[in-house]
Amino acid sequence: DVKVTQSSRYLVKRTGEKVFLECVQDMDHENMFWYRQDPGLGLRLIYFSYDVKMKEKGDIPEGYSVSREKKERFSLILESASTNQTSMYLCASSRRPTGDFTGELFFGEGSRLTVL
Amino acid sequence: SQKIEQNSEALNIQEGKTATLTCNYTNYSPAYLQWYRQDPGRGPVFLLLIRENEKEKRKERLKVTFDTTLKQSLFHITASQPADSATYLCALGTYKYIFGTGTRLKVLA
Repeated sequence: DVKVTQSSRYLVKRTGEKVFLECVQDMDHENMFWYRQDPGLGLRLIYFSYDVKMKEKGDIPEGYSVSREKKERFSLILESASTNQTSMYLCASSRRPTGDFTGELFFGEGSRLTVL
Repeated sequence: SQKIEQNSEALNIQEGKTATLTCNYTNYSPAYLQWYRQDPGRGPVFLLLIRENEKEKRKERLKVTFDTTLKQSLFHITASQPADSATYLCALGTYKYIFGTGTRLKVLA
């Protein structure tokens, strides 16, 4: 089975702290994603990576950065956490769509971040 | 801008009935549409995908339809069970996916 593992299920941080959220997948997927999920707003894409060291901004990249140094690992970084970044963060991976394969997403269990 | 709407935030139905969830989209011409299930505090899990040239797709008690003229997908769960209670999300995209806000389904015993 595909497994996407997020390093922390729950985190509590202070405003201004630097926060790292780590995600590892074990199925050699090319694509990896970071979403945040908020009530009434659904899942919103923060960043997307389609290969090692490659990244694209999603819909809400402000205040975030990402790193993909190895194929299996995709990190989300909050340089200076703010209270409006309190949210559920979801990492996902997929194979690159080719031919008939359409790249459905496999999600991790999520990291609930609270910024005080 | 691209927009996805799921018909209702919450839907309650009696066990054994068919649940029907709706996903409407605008400003988009997707090649395919996906449905996911999400349980509280967990990540979404992929259920079904339907392509633009497919009218209907089935998997066990699940059925999805896709009408590109109406820009709408319907997701049906037949013979619903309390274990089907969850939030269901639709998603559009090719490699970057846009998600609806979800419909929270509760199946009453």
